[in-house]
This record gives sequence, structure tokens and C-alpha cells, in this order.
Amino acid sequence: DTAVSQTPKYLVTQMGNDKSIKCEQNLGHDTMYWYKQDSKKFLKIMFSYNNKELIINETVPNRFSPKSPDKAHLNLHINSLELGDSAVYFCASTPSRSSYNEQFFGPGTRLTVL
Amino acid sequence: QKEVEQNSGPLSVPEGAIASLNCTYSDRVSQSFFWYRQYSGKSPELIMSIYSNGDKEDGRFTAQLNKASQYVSLLIRDSQPSDSATYLCAVISGTYKYIFGTGTRLKVLA
Repeated sequence: DTAVSQTPKYLVTQMGNDKSIKCEQNLGHDTMYWYKQDSKKFLKIMFSYNNKELIINETVPNRFSPKSPDKAHLNLHINSLELGDSAVYFCASTPSRSSYNEQFFGPGTRLTVL
Repeated sequence: QKEVEQNSGPLSVPEGAIASLNCTYSDRVSQSFFWYRQYSGKSPELIMSIYSNGDKEDGRFTAQLNKASQYVSLLIRDSQPSDSATYLCAVISGTYKYIFGTGTRLKVLA
């Protein structure tokens, strides 16, 4: 199936731990994104990569570090997890940086920090 | 002022009625506008995109754009219970950055 996939789907962890979320797209897209959606459904962009190059880096704590080993993969590593990091994290991709492209979203990773 | 604003709702409409969802944005140079639907526990999926002033129709959905007023809307005709979801307005602003509104929760009552 052609899609954007994320692992894991659910992640429950203790405060202070370090965790990673992985994203892969097999759509042949050049641009990938990480979004955070809080409990009020607000979807906020965190990072974007275009062909492995970081192009958007919003005001996000430096505990969050994205990595794109190739244009089909974008991972998110989070150090020293805090309660406020609990949210659903969505990966998305678009064919290119063009302004006219829709976003294709992954299924989301629900992170719960205890 | 938020960059993309939507009424959070819930907006309740009876089955068969027209649901009207509204969105305003602050960046005048925005070029591309999207409506996404998100069911509870699922990821957003694209409903409509619109780039020019006026109306764009696709089945039961009509998107309306007024760049002078910085306003975009989504009309859903013959609303069905399966349309009950959160509708997210998105605007591409600046350097290819998608900005989403907080979403409007729509409830279609059978």
C-alpha cells in the first residue's frame, strides 16, 4: 500500500525518558513534516524537511530532534520527556515544496508521558 | 490574533441541512487554502483545496474563497451523520508553511 506510516502507534513512557518515533512514506514525495496535535485538536507544525534538508524549524524545545536519513524517512527523537509532551504526533508528506500541494498524513503516534 | 481562526463549535445541524463552516486568516499573501476532515482518533484527510476567489464545488461540498476579506468557508449540503467530525482549515503562508486552524466540530443529528 502506498502511504505514510508511523511507528509506534501508541507510546506510554515515564517522565525523563528518551523516545523516538519513526515515519516512512513510499509516495515518492520530497517534503516531510512533523506536527503536534494537543488535546484541543490544535495541529501545530514542528519541523519540515525537503530532500533531507531542514527547511522549517518552529519554536520547539531543543529536546526534540528530527532526523531524515533519506527523503522517504523522517524520525523524531525526544529527550527528557515532560508531561506537556503528551499529544498525538503526526507525520505528513507533500510531493514538493510547492504551495499547491495537499498534505498526506500518517496515522499518528499517541504519546502519553506519565 | 491567531493566524487562522475557526469557531470551535460544536456546530449542530439536522440531517439533510446545509452545514456552513467558516475560517479567517491573517496573512494577506496566502495563496493556498485547504479543508481537512478529521474523525476522532484518526488523521486529517483532505476534503477540498481552493486557490482562486469564488466558489469551488465537489459533490456535496463547496469551498468559497474571498481573499479581500481573508475568508474561506466550506458548505456541506445534505449533511449526513457520517459528516460528523472536526473540520480543519489550513492555509499555506510564507515559506511553504502550513498553518492550521483549531478546527470546528460538526455534529449532524439524525
